[in-house]
Amino acid sequence: NAGVTQTPKFQVLKTGQSMTLQCAQDMNHNSMYWYRQDPGMGLRLIYYSASEGTTDKGEVPNGYNVSRLNKREFSLRLESAAPSQTSVYFCASSFTDRAINEKLFFGSGTQLSVL
Amino acid sequence: AQSVSQHNHHVILSEAASLELGCNYSYGGTVNLFWYVQYPGQHLQLLLKYFSGDPLVKGIKGFEAEFIKSKFSFNLRKPSVQWSDTAEYFCAVNLLNTGFQKLVFGTGTRLLVSP
Repeated sequence: NAGVTQTPKFQVLKTGQSMTLQCAQDMNHNSMYWYRQDPGMGLRLIYYSASEGTTDKGEVPNGYNVSRLNKREFSLRLESAAPSQTSVYFCASSFTDRAINEKLFFGSGTQLSVL
Repeated sequence: AQSVSQHNHHVILSEAASLELGCNYSYGGTVNLFWYVQYPGQHLQLLLKYFSGDPLVKGIKGFEAEFIKSKFSFNLRKPSVQWSDTAEYFCAVNLLNTGFQKLVFGTGTRLLVSP
């Protein structure tokens, strides 16, 4: 039982490059989330997926797209990376949105630098 | 917009000192409140949570938090910190009655405990 797995752990991009951050959970959770963590800003929600086949914008969705490929996987794509997207990205999941009241499970994070 | 404030961005303490980290939120409705902790190199973990009832809640590792509704606050405390408490601490709020439930995180407080 691996929990929430994110890949890659580290990535360096040049401005304008694209990349996809992968996230998978093996807990049969319905709801998945992408957060970014920046110094002094805390964690901010980028996108979330209430269930397979649905995605919605969070607080800071600009410059990102997401795909809920299936129940297990929720990927985050940067189409044209910008230095402002340098951050640590966390994927999280919960059985349902209401289950976040019990616990939100986090991945180990992806440290992304955009030069 | 609803927000969660953590006024202490960096806290440095010696072992055995007492700890209090502030958390305030701006939302007039019903909330569930959480403290998450991120130890160096690890993912976020739930420390404690408050839904209702006794406003003083106890979590893991000797931490406790007090909900003061009139002050919109949920401060984290520990009577005597240890070196192993060095981590980043995040307050989070679940704004109930707003559709899909999701956590809004504070900006985080980095705690350094010197031996």
